[in-house]
Amino acid sequence: DAKTTQPPSMDCAEGRAANLPCNHSTISGNEYVYWYRQIHSQGPQYIIHGLKNNETNEMASLIITEDRKSSTLILPHATLRDTAVYYCIVRVGGYSTLTFGKGTMLLVSP
Amino acid sequence: KAGVTQTPRYLIKTRGQQVTLSCSPISGHRSVSWYQQTPGQGLQFLFEYFSETQRNKGNFPGRFSGRQFSNSRSEMNVSTLELGDSALYLCASSVTGEDEQYFGPGTRLTVT
Repeated sequence: DAKTTQPPSMDCAEGRAANLPCNHSTISGNEYVYWYRQIHSQGPQYIIHGLKNNETNEMASLIITEDRKSSTLILPHATLRDTAVYYCIVRVGGYSTLTFGKGTMLLVSP
Repeated sequence: KAGVTQTPRYLIKTRGQQVTLSCSPISGHRSVSWYQQTPGQGLQFLFEYFSETQRNKGNFPGRFSGRQFSNSRSEMNVSTLELGDSALYLCASSVTGEDEQYFGPGTRLTVT
C-alpha cells in the first residue's frame, strides 16, 4: 500500500469546519483513500472512502485532488464528540488489509 | 442491525498462559479481520478470515492463530503469552473483505 502523511495534531473550534489533510503522493490508480477515526479506547470507526471523485455522506466530505496525490477530510460542523485520532489509509481495491499510520489527533474545543 | 461484538472486553493473564478471544461480526458479513493495537506499534493487522479460510496474514509469530466458524464468528488464540502481547485486540467485519470494515470495541488484554 502507498504510504500517507498526516499532521500529528490539529485543533478546531466547536461549530467550525475541521479540514484534515492527507498526503499520498505515491498512490496508484487502483488505490482508494479511506478515512477512519478512533475515539479514545474505542474501535476505529469507518468515515468515508473514495477513488477519484469527491464523496459526501452524513458524517463528512472527502475531497481528492485531481492528481490524487492528496486529499482532505472535512467535518462541516465539528462537535466535541469529534475529538479523535483520524486515520487516512490508502488501500488497493480488492485487497482486504487496512494499514494504519499514526493519524492526526483532532482536538475540538468549546 | 447489531454491531461487531467482542468478548471478553477485558482480560488479565499471566506470562506463559494462552488466551482465546471471540468476535461476532455484523449479520451478513463473511469477512473478519483481527488487529493488534499497542502504544508503541500502533494498529497492526494480524489476519483475515473469509468463509472459514484464512485469506491474509500479517507479520506475527505463529503463537497467534485464529479460526472462523460457519456462522462467520471468529476466534483468535495467543499461546505462550509474553508481556509484549499486552494490547487492545480489535476485530473488524465486512461483507466481502474488500469493502469498508466495521470494528468492534476490542478486547483489552493485560499480561502480567
